[in-house]
Amino acid sequence: EADICQTPRYLVIGTGKKITLECSQTMGHDKMYWYQQDPGMELHLIHYSYGVNSTEKGDLSSESTVSRIRTEHFPLTLESARPSHTSQYLCASSERLAGSPGEQYFGPGTRLTVT
Amino acid sequence: KNQVEQSPQSLIILEGKNCTLQCNYTVSPFSNLRWYKQDTGRGPVSLTIMTFSENTKSNGRYTATLDADTKQSSLHITASQLSDSASYICVVSDRGSTLGRLYFGRGTQLTVWP
Repeated sequence: EADICQTPRYLVIGTGKKITLECSQTMGHDKMYWYQQDPGMELHLIHYSYGVNSTEKGDLSSESTVSRIRTEHFPLTLESARPSHTSQYLCASSERLAGSPGEQYFGPGTRLTVT
Repeated sequence: KNQVEQSPQSLIILEGKNCTLQCNYTVSPFSNLRWYKQDTGRGPVSLTIMTFSENTKSNGRYTATLDADTKQSSLHITASQLSDSASYICVVSDRGSTLGRLYFGRGTQLTVWP
């Protein structure tokens, strides 16, 4: 069983506030990912990282930023939250496997509501 | 364009009954296909994974099939239980990138009634 944690699980915040969503994994995985998911819709990749000091933007444009200073930690930050940022944010991690994409293990998600 | 389509969008069945969920994909080059179960308010959890050469894979009451020629997969749930109520997501991975890009379907929302 993978161990990947996200905090907070739920967050209700006012427009204009700065927020950071935390994601930590204890499996030593090199690759980490952030997805955004709206109800009834597919997951969209917004950020990913191959390892420490590596961050890339995903398929879906996002105003959020990420950092990867430590292997186990991949926080996501919104400098100024807006109602359009209301969504579920899922963090995942996977091993770096030669010639094959490793299985991604997902955290429980953070449900963000911006009022 | 790489896509994953799932049907039905939602399904209601009675406890103890069987059901089959469908997944069609256009992802190329194909690497593998996974079925995930996502409980409400939780992250997805992997049920099965199949590569190009595998036709069927079982995990308890869950049996997945793959037809790589027609690019179709199905997930069969036997003797459904109330705890099977969840969204079932078909996820296809391509071979074309070191990232191992995942393409997600929108999921089938399954509700099992007592």
